[in-house]
Amino acid sequence: DAGVTQSPTHLIKTRGQQVTLRCSPISGHKSVSWYQQVLGQGPQFIFQYYEKEERGRGNFPDRFSARQFPNYSSELNVNALLLGDSALYLCASSLGDRGREDTQYFGPGTRLTVL
Amino acid sequence: AQKITQTQPGMFVQEKEAVTLDCTYDTSDQSYGLFWYKQPSSGEMIFLIYQGSYDEQNATEGRYSLNFQKARKSANLVISASQLGDSAMYFCAMTLDSNYQLIWGAGTKLIIKP
Repeated sequence: DAGVTQSPTHLIKTRGQQVTLRCSPISGHKSVSWYQQVLGQGPQFIFQYYEKEERGRGNFPDRFSARQFPNYSSELNVNALLLGDSALYLCASSLGDRGREDTQYFGPGTRLTVL
Repeated sequence: AQKITQTQPGMFVQEKEAVTLDCTYDTSDQSYGLFWYKQPSSGEMIFLIYQGSYDEQNATEGRYSLNFQKARKSANLVISASQLGDSAMYFCAMTLDSNYQLIWGAGTKLIIKP
C-alpha cells in the first residue's frame, strides 16, 4: 500500500510570497496533521483535520491555513512568507478515530527555504 | 502543561550493543499515548512503537521495546543489538485523549559505531 505522499519535496521562495504544500494520506485514513520542524528541533503541531473539519490548531499565526478535501487529501497554505518559515513541513495521516491510540504515519516532508 | 523531555542530545553506541534512549513526560491527564519515532537524515519520520497509559505490559516491536514506568513518568526506548542503520534522530512524543496533536521532545541523535 502507498504511504503518505507530499509535494513538492523541495521549494525555494522569497520573503512575502505565498506557498501551497500538498499531502495525500494513506488509503482509508481520514485524518491529516501538519507539523513544522525547524532544523535541530522537534516538530511543532500546526493543524489537524478529520473528516474535512479542523480538529486542532497549534500556536501559529493566521498566515498559516489549511484545508482537507473530500478525498481526504490536504493542503497547507502559508502567506506572506518570512525567513523564519524556512523548515521541513511534515504531513501525517491517521485513522482519526482512535483517540490517544491514533498512530500518525508521516510523509517524506517538504523542505521550504525562504530567501 | 504537557511536555516531553529528552535529556540526551547525542549518544554514541558500539554496533551490536543495546541502547536506551531516555524520555520523561509531564501531563495531568490519566489517558495518554506515548510514541517513539525515528528520523534518518533523509527527514522522513518513521513510527517505531506505541505505549498506552493503561497498558500494563511494556510494548515491544521486534528489536524495539519501551520501558514504561508510569509512576516515574518515563517511557524509555530500548534498542537491542544495535545496527549501523539505527543511526538517526529519535523522538519521543505524546498524545492525549483530550488533544489529538503529537507533543514532541527535542530528540536524541544516535550514532552507531562499527
